[in-house]
Amino acid sequence: DAGVIQSPRHEVTEMGQEVTLRCKPISGHDYLFWYRQTMMRGLELLIYFNNNVPIDDSGMPEDRFSAKMPNASFSTLKIQPSEPRDSAVYFCASSTGGGYTFGSGTRLTVV
Amino acid sequence: GENVEQHPSTLSVQEGDSAVIKCTYSDSASNYFPWYKQELGKGPQLIIDIRSNVGEKKDQRIAVTLNKTAKHFSLHITETQPEDSAVYFCAASIRSGYALNFGKGTSLLVTP
Repeated sequence: DAGVIQSPRHEVTEMGQEVTLRCKPISGHDYLFWYRQTMMRGLELLIYFNNNVPIDDSGMPEDRFSAKMPNASFSTLKIQPSEPRDSAVYFCASSTGGGYTFGSGTRLTVV
Repeated sequence: GENVEQHPSTLSVQEGDSAVIKCTYSDSASNYFPWYKQELGKGPQLIIDIRSNVGEKKDQRIAVTLNKTAKHFSLHITETQPEDSAVYFCAASIRSGYALNFGKGTSLLVTP
């Protein structure tokens, strides 16, 4: 198995632009999580899905953030419009109910 | 919600010594406690986990202990090696598969 696959690995964008982060979970995993990592706040849960259904999105910072999971093998996290304070590493992780498997992350820089 | 505190934030040990990282949690309903290791430029990787019906679990040089009464759990690494240098995160969840709340991490440096 190739593990959890995230794309892109790095993204540099200008303030105000739309950013879309992508994630392919491990086949057969029915939980998918999006986390954001910064030095100041550590690993923060943004949203998670179970069987493609959003279960808890209380960590999504504001309406500029949205996430979808149209099928069991794909999820997106969108930021529109992006702001410099959104700069962070965004991780996707998947699970069957045990420990998570994390992707390699997307490092987002908003200038 | 669950609050996980982790100490110390940085830890430096000499190769061959032991390293101990401690975490406390606030929600007495938590019953799943994994530990992750994150190397530079990579995502966190699960190294060991423990459930609330177990007091201790060991895997080679790594062990985790859990004290449910005191609501704290610890990671023990024995015979440390330079390749153990990384950031370690503890986490807690009310059950495995549910969302994890992570501690702020411990940066471990093992010097030869």
